[in-house]
Amino acid sequence: AQTVTQSQPEMSVQEAETVTLSCTYDTSENNYYLFWYKQPPSRQMILVIRQEAYKQQNATENRFSVNFQKAAKSFSLKISDSQLGDTAMYFCAIHTGNQFYFGTGTSLTVIP
Amino acid sequence: DAGVIQSPRHEVTEMGQEVTLRCKPISGHNSLFWYRQTMMRGLELLIYFNNNVPIDDSGMPEDRFSAKMPNASFSTLKIQPSEPRDSAVYFCASSLRVGSTDTQYFGPGTRLTVL
Repeated sequence: AQTVTQSQPEMSVQEAETVTLSCTYDTSENNYYLFWYKQPPSRQMILVIRQEAYKQQNATENRFSVNFQKAAKSFSLKISDSQLGDTAMYFCAIHTGNQFYFGTGTSLTVIP
Repeated sequence: DAGVIQSPRHEVTEMGQEVTLRCKPISGHNSLFWYRQTMMRGLELLIYFNNNVPIDDSGMPEDRFSAKMPNASFSTLKIQPSEPRDSAVYFCASSLRVGSTDTQYFGPGTRLTVL
């Protein structure tokens, strides 16, 4: 079975600062994809970034980057230059085989 | 592209009533997923379809829940009879195919309140 663990229920960061959200997962599969989704107060689920497990290079999307440690089964999200619009719930997810598994989420608040 | 479309956005009903949630996936996507989100249980996958065929419905909580996908552009999630504990936000998502390369794109969700 696959599991995704987000150990930080809530976090806060000052505007313009950098914050890292942690995620660990467990899977016996060799081929899988990892995702970070953002859910703002509007409730929409928005893809932030994704990482292919077979790639060693960490994915980057503008201010968002990941630190993917495959051996440790760790997939943290770093948000640089935090903006007020980054305030949201962030979900880590793994896609393996025919299934998606989501973590319980981290609520991030960006403080002006 | 309009993205994944869900209707209604909000639904308030009384216990015992039938509720039907609707979803239109992104054109060209052939996999569709139904999720439920609550504070207590987080985000749960209920069922997903590939090429209009249900692949895994192990997440459907009980027989009161049913889902259909009569064609590639439409799916419904029905609850009959509804109960207060069904109150949640229900998301529909679609992807190009079910496979480890694909990103799911979520709709805006339907907030269901059962009184």
